[in-house]
Amino acid sequence: EPEVTQTPSHQVTQMGQEVILRCVPISNHLYFYWYRQILGQKVEFLVSFYNNEISEKSEIFDDQFSVERPDGSNFTLKIRSTKLEDSAMYFCASSDPNRYTFGSGTRLTVV
Amino acid sequence: AQSVTQPDIHITVSEGASLELRCNYSYGATPYLFWYVQSPGQGLQLLLKYFSGDTLVQGIKGFEAEFKRSQSSFNLRKPSVHWSDAAEYFCAVGARSSASKIIFGSGTRLSIRP
Repeated sequence: EPEVTQTPSHQVTQMGQEVILRCVPISNHLYFYWYRQILGQKVEFLVSFYNNEISEKSEIFDDQFSVERPDGSNFTLKIRSTKLEDSAMYFCASSDPNRYTFGSGTRLTVV
Repeated sequence: AQSVTQPDIHITVSEGASLELRCNYSYGATPYLFWYVQSPGQGLQLLLKYFSGDTLVQGIKGFEAEFKRSQSSFNLRKPSVHWSDAAEYFCAVGARSSASKIIFGSGTRLSIRP
């Protein structure tokens, strides 16, 4: 069964550094998403992306975040200047009318 | 406002006993409904989903859920739990649209008593 692939599985970064989290959505899906889960908390929506533009974003998705589809297969989340509170599991997802699939996540640790 | 409520933060059941995890939602229209399971430090695994049709939905690992529109509920059930079912369970809702965010509940942590 097709999967959403996320890399890396775990990333440690210094506070203030930029990080890029990468995702390869399911190939025929047209809608892409990023979610965040702070340790011990629920999964929260960050942003949805369709037709090369953001279709919806949450209040969490402020100016330090950006998303991009740099080529036909990758979908990235960039955090410009990481803060300690950005430490979380980040999930990518993609969807079509019948399937909504999450990746296995990238655990980001900001030190 | 759109929301999902899982009233039980933590449930402990004996191995072999039946299980029901509660989920209530508030949504403007009939949503898509999901149950996910998450083991510590792991990703989200889809147990089952309701899009339309039969309101009793069968999922993986012997789980089922029933959509009750009148009660805005989508409770998850399993007739006999196994020690490997210990995990965090999330109920979630989404709009009937291809480009829709999913709203998650706060989760119910399931512990299994030997």
